[in-house]
Amino acid sequence: QQQVKQSPQSLIVQKGGISIINCAYENTAFDYFPWYQQFPGKGPALLIAIRPDVSEKKEGRFTISFNTSAKQFSLHIMDSQPGDSATYFCAASSASGGSYIPTFGRGTSLIVHP
Amino acid sequence: KAGVTQTPRYLIKTRGQQVTLSCSPISGHRSVSWYQQTPGQGLQFLFEYFSETQRNKGNFPGRFSGRQFSNSRSEMNVSTLELGDSALYLCASSGTHSNTGELFFGEGSRLTVL
Repeated sequence: QQQVKQSPQSLIVQKGGISIINCAYENTAFDYFPWYQQFPGKGPALLIAIRPDVSEKKEGRFTISFNTSAKQFSLHIMDSQPGDSATYFCAASSASGGSYIPTFGRGTSLIVHP
Repeated sequence: KAGVTQTPRYLIKTRGQQVTLSCSPISGHRSVSWYQQTPGQGLQFLFEYFSETQRNKGNFPGRFSGRQFSNSRSEMNVSTLELGDSALYLCASSGTHSNTGELFFGEGSRLTVL
């Protein structure tokens, strides 16, 4: 199975700080890279996504940076807030049979201290 | 617009039994996919249905099966339950005309096998 390696496994930051989560992939056929946020007892929710034709995408305090040559992408959360405390999953996918089926990273548990 | 609804939310079964989980996608979405989430293996793709046809299948044994109805509602079944099947089973819907990669997850069905 294709792998997506995510790090760190857990992350603790202070309120107002920057949270950075990194992912690396192997399959160069991947062409859609979403990030999901999951709160306890809830299903994952799409946070932000990027395709490799852009190097960076920003939505509010969340930014994805993409490095095609290194096959790496990262999520930056600026001005981290306690409400951002959740598990974050990166994913990579390519079209298969007309669908995008994601391969997920193992997740990063983020805790933002007030 | 109502989100993805999964039932039941929690269930307990014993080894050897079978279980059926249900998923109602977002209105208009025709793609439904299923995922298994465990602490050890993370989020793993089970299968995806589009317009009542299975389009993609993950690397799970034949004990795991699913189907989709004409109204896009989907069910998954696990037969001959094993202890290792204990997990959160997540359903996601996507797209009115195709699976665009943007997945909308339900809150999951938490299965405990004793």
